[in-house]
Amino acid sequence: DSGVTQTPKHLITATGQRVTLRCSPRSGDLSVYWYQQSLDQGLQFLIQYYNGEERAKGNILERFSAQQFPDLHSELNLSSLELGDSALYFCASSELGEGSLDEQYFGPGTRLTVT
Amino acid sequence: AQTVTQSQPEMSVQEAETVTLSCTYDTSENNYYLFWYKQPPSRQMILVIRQEAYKQQNATENRFSVNFQKAAKSFSLKISDSQLGDTAMYFCAFMTFTGNQFYFGTGTSLTVIP
Repeated sequence: DSGVTQTPKHLITATGQRVTLRCSPRSGDLSVYWYQQSLDQGLQFLIQYYNGEERAKGNILERFSAQQFPDLHSELNLSSLELGDSALYFCASSELGEGSLDEQYFGPGTRLTVT
Repeated sequence: AQTVTQSQPEMSVQEAETVTLSCTYDTSENNYYLFWYKQPPSRQMILVIRQEAYKQQNATENRFSVNFQKAAKSFSLKISDSQLGDTAMYFCAFMTFTGNQFYFGTGTSLTVIP
């Protein structure tokens, strides 16, 4: 158990819908990262937040957005869902996230299926 | 832009033997970090080993070691005395020194055969 929690575990929804994925980082970790892992693919970095502020952006679609709240939990919002958005979405947290060899601890992931 | 390439989609190794997984990357940066992550069937991502590019000494963690060749932009993972629990997908990952960009390879599926 990494200490990072993600809810829900599984989510099935229809095209065009909007969903929110939630992540709670490890206690004391200030940085949260979101990744997308499509079937049999590597992880694509989406976005990073550090202490409530957006720190870095990767290959995140405009239909996707995220935020980190004062209690440091984070939400990833996916809207106008398409079949291709079906994937495993990982959240990871780290203590610093400022370009150190700081280990990222991964949550168990949320499996999103768009039908 | 940075890229990470894992050219071996699948590999297998006999239990107790040694196996090496390949990873190459492309970057114009001089300082960065490299990682190997393991993803077992549970889909949990687990850090295996990490390396700072400015360190010449290869990182080692118990049965896991890397061969870091900076000039060749190569970062291979060697697993010694392979165990059944090593069966997993292995991802090579690159992080910029400023920590604001992360890139993963497409993974190598390793099967340890009893």
